[in-house]
Formats: sequence, C-alpha cells, structure tokens
Amino acid sequence: EAGVAQSPRYKIIEKRQSVAFWCNPISGHATLYWYQQILGQGPKLLIQFQNNGVVDDSQLPKDRFSAERLKGVDSTLKIQPAKLEDSAVYLCASRGEANEQFFGPGTRLTVL
Amino acid sequence: GENVEQHPSTLSVQEGDSAVIKCTYSDSASNYFPWYKQELGKRPQLIIDIRSNVGEKKDQRIAVTLNKTAKHFSLHITETQPEDSAVYFCAASKGSNYQLIWGAGTKLIIKP
Repeated sequence: EAGVAQSPRYKIIEKRQSVAFWCNPISGHATLYWYQQILGQGPKLLIQFQNNGVVDDSQLPKDRFSAERLKGVDSTLKIQPAKLEDSAVYLCASRGEANEQFFGPGTRLTVL
Repeated sequence: GENVEQHPSTLSVQEGDSAVIKCTYSDSASNYFPWYKQELGKRPQLIIDIRSNVGEKKDQRIAVTLNKTAKHFSLHITETQPEDSAVYFCAASKGSNYQLIWGAGTKLIIKP
C-alpha cells in the first residue's frame, strides 16, 4: 500500500512570495489533515477535510493560508503572501479505518 | 479545550535500560491515545495506540498504559536500542473528528 505523498520536499522563497504544497493521501482515506510543525514543536493542525468538505479550519490563518480538496482526493495548501514565521515543515496526514493518522514526508519551507 | 502535557522533555537512558514517558490529558471524554516517533528530519510514525476501553497494550518492546481515572497514559520501552533515539509525541482525541491534541514531545537519547 502506497503511503501519503507530498511535494515538493523542500521550498525556499522570499517573504511576500506565494507557495503551494500538494498532498495525495492513502487511497480510500476520506479524511485528510494539514499540519504545520515548527522546529522543536509538535504538529499543529491547520485544516481537516472529510472528502471534499472542510471539517475544521479554525486554526488556519485565513488572511494568508488557503487549502482545497476539490475532488475529495488530492489536496493543495497555499500561502500568499508568505511571512518569515511561516518557515516550518508542512505535514499532510490521512486517516485510516481504525482512525490512526498516517503522515507524509512533509514539505520543509524556508522563508527568507 | 483539551490539553495534553508530556514529561520529561528530554530523557537519556543507557542502552538496554527501560524508558518511560508520561502524558496527562484534561478532557475526560478523550478516548483515543496514539504515540508517534519522529526521527530527525523525518515524518511522525505511529508506534502504538490505545483506546479508552483498554488499560494496557503491548507490541514487542513497546507498551502503553492508560489510567482513565487519573487521566494519564504512559509509553514504556524496554531493552532500549540506539535506533530508539528520536522525539516521541503523545496525543489524545475524542469524538468523531479524531482531531489529535499533541503533547510537546520527549527527546529520547540512548547512550551506548
């Protein structure tokens, strides 16, 4: 069984630029999560999708972050414009039948 | 809201000894408690989980115990090996969304 796929693995941008991350969950997983993990901290939930609907986006900074999962499979997370404090690893996870979460390899974002 | 506290923040043990990491949670309705291992630069990986209807679960050298009355759960690793060195995160969740509330992490160092 293939795992959660994410791309790109690394991204370096300057502040005020925009960036987009892509996630492909494990096949058949209806629930998808985007997390932000700052160095030395645990993952922080940004948004949760169930199929193509948003379950919870209460911690998503909506003035600069957006996410979509139009067909209920792949998802994209966008930041526009980026700030220095957005430097982090962005993790995507999908949820299995026993409610366990499986994580992708993450995208390491550096904002200069 | 739910809060998860994790101790210690750093744990150094001699190879072959046991390691114990403890977490407490605040919401008595929490019913799912996973533990994740994260090696440097890699994704969090689920190593064991426990649900509120079970008091203990074992998987080879790893075990988790849950005390619902005291609202705490612990990870036990026996016969530690160098490859056990990593950051370990506990988490708790409740309800149908299974959103995870994460502890701050424990850096486990295995001394040769």
